[in-house]
Amino acid sequence: GAGVSQSPRYKVAKRGQDVALRCDPISGHVSLFWYQQALGQGPEFLTYFQNEAQLDKSGLPSDRFFAERPEGSVSTLKIQRTQQEDSAVYLCASSLHSVNQPQHFGDGTRLSIL
Amino acid sequence: DQQVKQNSPSLSVQEGRISILNCDYTNSMFDYFLWYKKYPAEGPTFLISISSIKDKNEDGRFTVFLNKSAKHLSLHIVPSQPGDSAVYFCAASANTNAGKSTFGDGTTLTVKP
Repeated sequence: GAGVSQSPRYKVAKRGQDVALRCDPISGHVSLFWYQQALGQGPEFLTYFQNEAQLDKSGLPSDRFFAERPEGSVSTLKIQRTQQEDSAVYLCASSLHSVNQPQHFGDGTRLSIL
Repeated sequence: DQQVKQNSPSLSVQEGRISILNCDYTNSMFDYFLWYKKYPAEGPTFLISISSIKDKNEDGRFTVFLNKSAKHLSLHIVPSQPGDSAVYFCAASANTNAGKSTFGDGTTLTVKP
C-alpha cells in the first residue's frame, strides 16, 4: 500500500538489550515524526526530520534514544540498553511538509521490555 | 503540564444522535488544530482540521468548532454511526514549531445501535 509502514509490529526484548524500529514513510513526504504512546495516553512527540536533517529531538527521553534518516526516506529509531519504562507503542508519521498539514501515521511498533 | 486536554475519557451516544467531543488547550501559540480517529491496533487516522483564522470547518458529518478566546475546540458528529466508535484524539501545533503536534489523551466514543 501507499501508507506509512512500520516494522516490526511487535518487539519483545530483555532489559538491557538494544532495539531498532523502522519506519517507511509515504514516498515524497518531506517531514517525518516519531511519537511514543503509553497505554491510555495520547502520542508524545519524540523527534522530527525534514528530509535527512533532524531538526528537533527535544522529546527524546534520554541519550539512550537515537533516530536517523540518512537518505531522507526510511528512518530508524534505536533504543540502547532498554529499560522497562521504554515499553510503549512507537508511532511514526509523515507529512508532505511540516507546517499546517495533517500527519499520516503508521500502525506503530508495540515494544515490550521484560 | 498538559497543553492539550480532553477531559472526558469516554462518551456513549445512541446511533443517529449527535456526538460532541471537547478539547481545551493552554498554549496561545497553537494555530492549527486537528482531530484524529484511532481504532485498536492501528495508527491514528486524520479526520478533520481547522486553522486559527477560522472558527468552523465542516466535512460531511464532521464539524470542528474553534473558540480561540476560550482556547476550546469541539468535534461534532451528526448523525453518529456505530462505525464511528473509536478513540478520538485532539491535536494542536504551532507554525513556529515545525508542525510538531501535541496530543490530548483521547476520548473513547461508543455509538450504540
